[in-house]
Amino acid sequence: GDSVTQMEGPVTLSEEACLTINCTYTATGYPSLFWYVQYPGEGLQLLLKATKADDKGSNKGFEATYRKETTSFHLEKGSVQVSDSAVYFCALSEGNEKLTFGTGTRLTIIP
Amino acid sequence: DTAVSQTPKYLVTQMGNDKSIKCEQNLGHDTMYWYKQDSKKFLKIMFSYNNKELIINETVPNRFSPKSPDKAHLNLHINSLELGDSAVYFCASSQEGHNEQFFGPGTRLTVL
Repeated sequence: GDSVTQMEGPVTLSEEACLTINCTYTATGYPSLFWYVQYPGEGLQLLLKATKADDKGSNKGFEATYRKETTSFHLEKGSVQVSDSAVYFCALSEGNEKLTFGTGTRLTIIP
Repeated sequence: DTAVSQTPKYLVTQMGNDKSIKCEQNLGHDTMYWYKQDSKKFLKIMFSYNNKELIINETVPNRFSPKSPDKAHLNLHINSLELGDSAVYFCASSQEGHNEQFFGPGTRLTVL
């Protein structure tokens, strides 16, 4: 079945540092890939998505590229802010069906 | 203006009780979902309904029964609550043909 493996956390960085959170997936078909973010005490918000190979999703300075050859969708940001502190979830979906999530990566940014 | 809303936000109850969580979406979406997030933040699908029809039912105990009175609502009823049911439950919705899901704020259930 489908699965998502993402970098274990927690990750602690200083403000303005570069961020990469690794995500790889296993799927039977051609899934859509997502990054969701959960800020403290809140629900999940879609951060970015990519629906086919070589697509790049981007939002709020975050980027991720759908790499079919390496089955990866790593999340990157060049300069993180304290307000980026949250839990980040990589996920996939095949068709209009359930999301399969990774385990989440807690990110803490220190001023 | 809330797109996907859930009530209550917090629910504390005793083992053995029966409780319900309600979910409503005003986005006009066809498909609604329930996810469970455990204490380690792991998220797993429980159920999915499309136009009031059950389309996904993962291996969830039959003490959990979803009910969809119309396509804008998907409620979750839980019988004979157990300690292991303590979690945050998220409702979500999506439009048929689009794979982006919109999530509610979550309901934190604590079973004592």
